[in-house]
Amino acid sequence: AQKVTQAQTEISVVEKEDVTLDCVYETRDTTYYLFWYKQPPSGELVFLIRRNSFDEQNEISGRYSWNFQKSTSSFNFTITASQVVDSAVYFCALSAPAIKAAGNKLTFGGGTRVLVKP
Amino acid sequence: DAMVIQNPRYQVTQFGKPVTLSCSQTLNHNVMYWYQQKSSQAPKLLFHYYDKDFNNEADTPDNFQSRRPNTSFCFLDIRSPGLGDAAMYLCATSGWGVTDTQYFGPGTRLTVL
Repeated sequence: AQKVTQAQTEISVVEKEDVTLDCVYETRDTTYYLFWYKQPPSGELVFLIRRNSFDEQNEISGRYSWNFQKSTSSFNFTITASQVVDSAVYFCALSAPAIKAAGNKLTFGGGTRVLVKP
Repeated sequence: DAMVIQNPRYQVTQFGKPVTLSCSQTLNHNVMYWYQQKSSQAPKLLFHYYDKDFNNEADTPDNFQSRRPNTSFCFLDIRSPGLGDAAMYLCATSGWGVTDTQYFGPGTRLTVL
């Protein structure tokens, strides 16, 4: 069975502070994919990043960075110099091949609500 | 440019009155998914289509049905909505590969009175 745990339910920071969101996963698959999505108050889930299990390189995209550590089954997400527009719920997800048919099935963590105060 | 479109964005229905939610996509993706998301929870997969091949999750209630008349459109039918069905309903699409990213629509927030 697959499982994704986001231990932090809510984080509150002041603008310009850095914030790190933790994600720990469990899977028996040797090949898997990890994702982060952002869900602003409008409700849409916005894709941020996908990382496969064979690529442990950290990635930076603007103010966002991701730290994938297979040894600890973690895929953490850092927002540097946070802004009010970063206020949202962030979901970490793990992908497994569908049992039948094509496509994939996402196992989501419980989400972390980030509140950035001006 | 909208890629996954959901209509309406807000839907109010009465207890027991059938309702249909709509999803369309301009990505030409083979796979379409329907998720239910209740307040402060993660999205929960209801079912997905690979082309016209329908795949139901084991715990999806029979009250929820879906149709996919063509590649671009997919519908979620709730035959007899209960108060517990009030939620955000998210549609997503992806390519056929197991590595493909799912792209989500803006969601339809359903209220049941």
